[in-house]
Formats: sequence, C-alpha cells, structure tokens
Amino acid sequence: DAGVTQSPTHLIKTRGQHVTLRCSPISGHKSVSWYQQVLGQGPQFIFQYYEKEERGRGNFPDRFSARQFPNYSSELNVNALLLGDSALYLCASSWGQGRSTGELFFGEGSRLTVL
Amino acid sequence: EDKVVQSPLSLVVHEGDTVTLNCSYEVTNFRSLLWYKQEKKAPTFLFMLTSSGIEKKSGRLSSILDKKELFSILNITATQTGDSAIYLCAVGGKSTFGDGTTLTVKP
Repeated sequence: DAGVTQSPTHLIKTRGQHVTLRCSPISGHKSVSWYQQVLGQGPQFIFQYYEKEERGRGNFPDRFSARQFPNYSSELNVNALLLGDSALYLCASSWGQGRSTGELFFGEGSRLTVL
Repeated sequence: EDKVVQSPLSLVVHEGDTVTLNCSYEVTNFRSLLWYKQEKKAPTFLFMLTSSGIEKKSGRLSSILDKKELFSILNITATQTGDSAIYLCAVGGKSTFGDGTTLTVKP
C-alpha cells in the first residue's frame, strides 16, 4: 500500500516567489496536516484539514494557505517567500479529525530552499 | 499555549548502552502523548500513551507516561547504531512537538 506521498521532494525558490506543495494521504485517511520543520527544531503545526474543511491553524502568517480536495489530497501554498521559509515541509495523514488522538503517518517531506 | 520540552537535546552513547529520553509537557487539552523516530525525513510512529503508569514496550524500546507530573520517558536498552536518530515527542490537540533528542550510537 502506498504511504503518504509528497511532491516535489526538493525545490529552490527566490524571495518573493510563490510555492505550491502537494500531498496525497494514505488511502482511506480523511485528515491531512501540514508541518514546517526548521533544522534543529521539531515540526511546527501549520494546518489541519478534515473532510475538506480547515479544522486547525497554527501560528503562521496569512501568506500560508492550504486546501483539501474531494479525493482528500491537499496543497500547501506559500506566497511572498522569505528566507525564513526555508525548511522541510511535512505532510501527515490520519484516519480521523483528532490530530493527537492517534498516530500520524508522515510523508518524506518537501525540502524548500529560499535564496 | 501548548508546550513540550525534551531533554537532553543530544546524546552520544556506545552500542550496548541504555538511554533514557525525557519529555515534559504543558497542554490545555491532553488526549495522548506520542513518540516518533526521525531518521532522515519522515518521522515514524513508536508509541502512543494515554494512561498513566502503563508501560508500552516494543522490543528494546519502552515508554511510560506520568499524567500527574506531566512527563514521559522513552527507554532504549542495548542500543545499536541503527537507533541513531532524532526522537520526537508530541502532545495536545494541535500535535505540538518538542524539538527532539538527537541520539548518536557509536560502534
């Protein structure tokens, strides 16, 4: 069975550009969460979507947005990129709505470098 | 604001040693505490703890939760080089993660 898949795996952008990251959850999982992991830190919660609705948002500026599609895949969009947005962006899927009631299944991440 | 603090931040041991990793937390809506292992990119699930005092075991790894004192420990016995990784603790409704403990096991 396929796990959580993310694309692209690596990308380089320049300041001010826009980026779209994509995630496909494990088949049957309806919840997708996005995390930002800066080197040396733990993952920071950005968004959670469940059944195509936003169910949680972390402490990130409005330049960050996301959506979930009818097939439960998801996109994370970041506008007006800053150097500080350079990080590993992790997508995680789970069965239900609760983000920490059960196990999260993570993808391999998208490594974003902003120059 | 939910807070998770892990200690130590890094640890270097030799194969065969036993290690104890710590996770303390302050959350407004505790549901469960989860431990993950991150070797390269994707964290992988180790344990989920919801009740105090009940030890979870998987091979050489074990973990226990103390909901009164708000902490958990992860023990690894007879460490191997393959145990080298970042160990992450997560709690709360927003899956708040600590910054992890980087474990290095030398042959």
